[in-house]
Amino acid sequence: DAGVIQSPRHEVTEMGQEVTLRCKPISGHNSLFWYRQTMMRGLELLIYFNNNVPIDDSGMPEDRFSAKMPNASFSTLKIQPSEPRDSAVYFCASSAGLAGVWEQFFGPGTRLTVL
Amino acid sequence: AQSVAQPEDQVNVAEGNPLTVKCTYSVSGNPYLFWYVQYPNRGLQFLLKYITGDNLVKGSYGFEAEFNKSQTSFHLKKPSALVSDSALYFCARLSNSGYALNFGKGTSLLVT
Repeated sequence: DAGVIQSPRHEVTEMGQEVTLRCKPISGHNSLFWYRQTMMRGLELLIYFNNNVPIDDSGMPEDRFSAKMPNASFSTLKIQPSEPRDSAVYFCASSAGLAGVWEQFFGPGTRLTVL
Repeated sequence: AQSVAQPEDQVNVAEGNPLTVKCTYSVSGNPYLFWYVQYPNRGLQFLLKYITGDNLVKGSYGFEAEFNKSQTSFHLKKPSALVSDSALYFCARLSNSGYALNFGKGTSLLVT
């Protein structure tokens, strides 16, 4: 298995532009997580999907952030409009079930820089 | 809150020496605890977890962790460090949600 796949690996954009991050979870996993990692705040859970349904989006910082999971093999995280404070590494992770039993497998991350 | 704390930002160890990366957890309920490792420009990789049972948990790459209820700790250990163990280590605890992991700030391990 190729593991969790994320694209792009690096994204540099200008303030105000729309940014779309993509994730392909491990086949057969029914849970998908989006995290953001910054020096100041560490790792934060943004949103959690189970069986393609958003269960918890309380970590999404603002309405500028949105996430979708149209099918079991694809998810997107969109920022519109982007701001410099959105600069971070965004990780997608998947698991075969609840984290208490099944470990989360992380993708390589997308390093976003907003100028 | 179901939180963890990693008191050390950085740990330096000589190759071949034992290493310990510290983690303490908040006293609330029965904790499900995890250790993850992050190598440069990579995602986090699962090392081990404690759910219940034996207090000594063995994981990947020769790492182990000891759950200590009286000290509310879950320190990561390895008997003999390798240069390749140099990375960022995260302790995490399962939140009350049953799916979200609350991560510590991370500890940078440098083995020379």
